[in-house]
Amino acid sequence: DAGVIQSPRHEVTEMGQEVTLRCKPISGHDYLFWYRQTMMRGLELLIYFNNNVPIDDSGMPEDRFSAKMPNASFSTLKIQPSEPRDSAVYFCASSAPSGGTQYFGPGTRLTVL
Amino acid sequence: SQKIEQNSEALNIQEGKTATLTCNYTNYSPAYLQWYRQDPGRGPVFLLLIRENEKEKRKERLKVTFDTTLKQSLFHITASQPADSATYLCALDDDKIIFGKGTRLHILP
Repeated sequence: DAGVIQSPRHEVTEMGQEVTLRCKPISGHDYLFWYRQTMMRGLELLIYFNNNVPIDDSGMPEDRFSAKMPNASFSTLKIQPSEPRDSAVYFCASSAPSGGTQYFGPGTRLTVL
Repeated sequence: SQKIEQNSEALNIQEGKTATLTCNYTNYSPAYLQWYRQDPGRGPVFLLLIRENEKEKRKERLKVTFDTTLKQSLFHITASQPADSATYLCALDDDKIIFGKGTRLHILP
């Protein structure tokens, strides 16, 4: 298996633009997690899905953030409109059981100018 | 809510020595605790999981302990090597998994 795949790896955009981050989890994993990592706040869980259904989105910063999982092999995290404070590395991870080992993707480094 | 504290200062250890990293939590003891390694520009990679009824877990040169009285987990790397240099994150289950900010480890040749 190729592991968790994320795209793009780097994204530079201007404030106010819409940003869409993509994730393909490991086949057979039924949990998918979106994280944001910054120096100040560390690794923060934004939202997680079980069997494509959002279970906990309490970590999503505000209404500008939304996430979807239309099928078992694809998820998106969208920021609209983007702001400079959204600049961070966004990771997607997947796992088989909840609380089990999480397998992280390589991350998307987002810079909002 | 549960909080995790890891040394924010980088830890410098001479090659060949044992490196010990600390993870403290504030509230109730979690059912399990995990340790991850993160290299620059990459996602965290799972290393070890220890359950609350386990005192110690080993994997090759790695050892993790879990002291529910002290609310602490220690992560040891014996015979450390420069390739062990990375940031090490601990994580625990608090309804959902939460991560510490990690400790940067430098193994000096």
